Amino acid sequence: QKEVEQNSGPLSVPEGAIASLNCTYSDRGSQSFFWYRQYSGKSPELIMSIYSNGDKEDGRFTAQLNKASQYVSLLIRDSQPSDSATYLCARTPSGGSYIPTFGRGTSLIVHP
Amino acid sequence: DVKVTQSSRYLVKRTGEKVFLECVQDMDHENMFWYRQDPGLGLRLIYFSYDVKMKEKGDIPEGYSVSREKKERFSLILESASTNQTSMYLCASSLYGATNEKLFFGSGTQLSVL
Repeated sequence: QKEVEQNSGPLSVPEGAIASLNCTYSDRGSQSFFWYRQYSGKSPELIMSIYSNGDKEDGRFTAQLNKASQYVSLLIRDSQPSDSATYLCARTPSGGSYIPTFGRGTSLIVHP
Repeated sequence: DVKVTQSSRYLVKRTGEKVFLECVQDMDHENMFWYRQDPGLGLRLIYFSYDVKMKEKGDIPEGYSVSREKKERFSLILESASTNQTSMYLCASSLYGATNEKLFFGSGTQLSVL
């Protein structure tokens, strides 16, 4: 089992809808969690990080972490065509290592 | 803003050639990383470095080596390029090495080995 699992998609949502991206992880001691956005042909850029259980909001983005169930999700409200990209989930492991492990990414398509 | 610069955006090499991929960061970051990204496989760590002349193997180091002679520069070396090393290579850096730190990525090098 890969340490970080994501549905590869594509996830297709209409403009203005809420896009929900999910990620599960196997290491219960994982410390920190990240969502990176990667446009086609570009490099990943961080859009959200979350370290504690619960929700964290930043503009149209909300990250949700549930350590008991070992999942982290990203909600994008009022989705725009410019949100169309691949979203990579990453986490840093337990034991003090700072090297993040990435999931394979979920492709999001927001259609007008 | 942090800038991570990779020397080439596209590179075409022949099987058996020795290939150097260069990465430079301008923000005095301690840590630097080399990933490769393949469709359906996501980002996989090849090597990372936490200090000058220090290096650690990642998940897929076979066929690669690295060099970090100066803090700002981290080079990935393919000793004898093979077709299965055709991939997108991404360099990244981070400041300290804390578990909650984000990575800053370069723009990537698309390497084709013929």
